[in-house]
Amino acid sequence: EVQLVESGGGLVQPGGSLRLSCAASGFTFSSYWMSWVRQAPGKGLEWVANIKQDGSEKYYVDSVKGRFTISRDNAKNSLYLQMNSLRAEDTAVYYCARDIIPGYSSGYYYWGQGTLVTVSS
Amino acid sequence: NFMLTQPHSVSESPGKTVTISCTRSSGSIASNYVQWYQQRPGSAPTTVIYEDNQRPSGVPDRFSGSIDSSSNSASLTISGLKTEDEADYYCQSYDSSNVVFGGGTKLTVL
Repeated sequence: EVQLVESGGGLVQPGGSLRLSCAASGFTFSSYWMSWVRQAPGKGLEWVANIKQDGSEKYYVDSVKGRFTISRDNAKNSLYLQMNSLRAEDTAVYYCARDIIPGYSSGYYYWGQGTLVTVSS
Repeated sequence: NFMLTQPHSVSESPGKTVTISCTRSSGSIASNYVQWYQQRPGSAPTTVIYEDNQRPSGVPDRFSGSIDSSSNSASLTISGLKTEDEADYYCQSYDSSNVVFGGGTKLTVL
């Protein structure tokens, strides 16, 4: 059974930092693109970043470029999102998501349950 | 970058059929696969259609997806509506370096 379990969310002050983790199991993690998708309260889904199987390619939505860094550790079957210079508008539930087929980035087949990040003073 | 536009809300009665559209603003809808996600209140999204018209295992065949190049849009059709289908539905596609979601459609089954 595929599982994606996010952790690391919480309350942080504007300008602060947070590191999210996603523990993956039930599939060959090193074969898939992985993504972070967020959802602000009462709003729709927004793609944040994705990363290729070997970490050699990373892409970000414009609003987080230079502030967020996506990474992965295939030995630990884990995905990460380092979030710096956090702003109130980064407040959201952050989901970890696995791509549909190995080696190709197109969309998502599995989603985690999400972790809430609140940026507030 | 392109945008995906969905109706804000749709409603239909149990047992009926509803179709939710997703229109791509630029570039061909057929050039990149479209996925559809269901999100019930308080829950994470789940995938109901991938690669335009494929259903994940466990998704009933009441759910179907299609694309129409003439209108540059994708559609999610749900037949035999059940109250449990009431949820938000999002379309999603991509290009070489971006993933794009539609704004979401709230389906009410009443």
